Amino acid sequence: QKEVEQDPGPLSVPEGAIVSLNCTYSNSAFQYFMWYRQYSRKGPELLMYTYSSGNKEDGRFTAQVDKSSKYISLFIRDSQPSDSATYLCAMKGASNTDKLIFGTGTRLQVFP
Amino acid sequence: DSGVTQTPKHLITATGQRVTLRCSPRSGDLSVYWYQQSLDQGLQFLIQYYNGEERAKGNILERFSAQQFPDLHSELNLSSLELGDSALYFCASSPRGAGGRETQYFGPGTRLLVL
Repeated sequence: QKEVEQDPGPLSVPEGAIVSLNCTYSNSAFQYFMWYRQYSRKGPELLMYTYSSGNKEDGRFTAQVDKSSKYISLFIRDSQPSDSATYLCAMKGASNTDKLIFGTGTRLQVFP
Repeated sequence: DSGVTQTPKHLITATGQRVTLRCSPRSGDLSVYWYQQSLDQGLQFLIQYYNGEERAKGNILERFSAQQFPDLHSELNLSSLELGDSALYFCASSPRGAGGRETQYFGPGTRLLVL
């Protein structure tokens, strides 16, 4: 079993839809949770960063962490064609030597 | 633009060969990370350097090695290349390498194709 599980999709939604992307994990030591967006043939770019449990909102994006369920989510409101990309969840523990563990990514397609 | 640069963008080589990938971190960042991204394995952490010293190791093969130089740029050396080494190789950097408390900024990647 992988430490981080993420549905690869693809997820296809119409413009304006609310998108929900999710990851589950098995390691209870994870403390830091991130969402990266990766456009085709580009490097990942950080979208959201959350420490421990709770919600964080940034514009159209909301990240949620439920440590009791070992489940994290990224919501995108009013989705746009420019949101079409692969979304990677990532997480790690508190130690400086802990490595960042990525999900395999969910491919999102927003059509006009 | 993240400020992390990687060269070359594309590399095509043959099995058994050796290649070197280069990364320049963002200005002021002391820590460099190398990742491999393939279709079936996703983004896998290879190795981290902080201010010239190896700090953490992931699933890096013995045929692969890396180093960080005094000017903080880093090189990833891949030798005895196999078909399965074909992948995207990303470099990321962060200010102090303080683990999850820091954001990692990714470069554009080097696409390696081994024929």
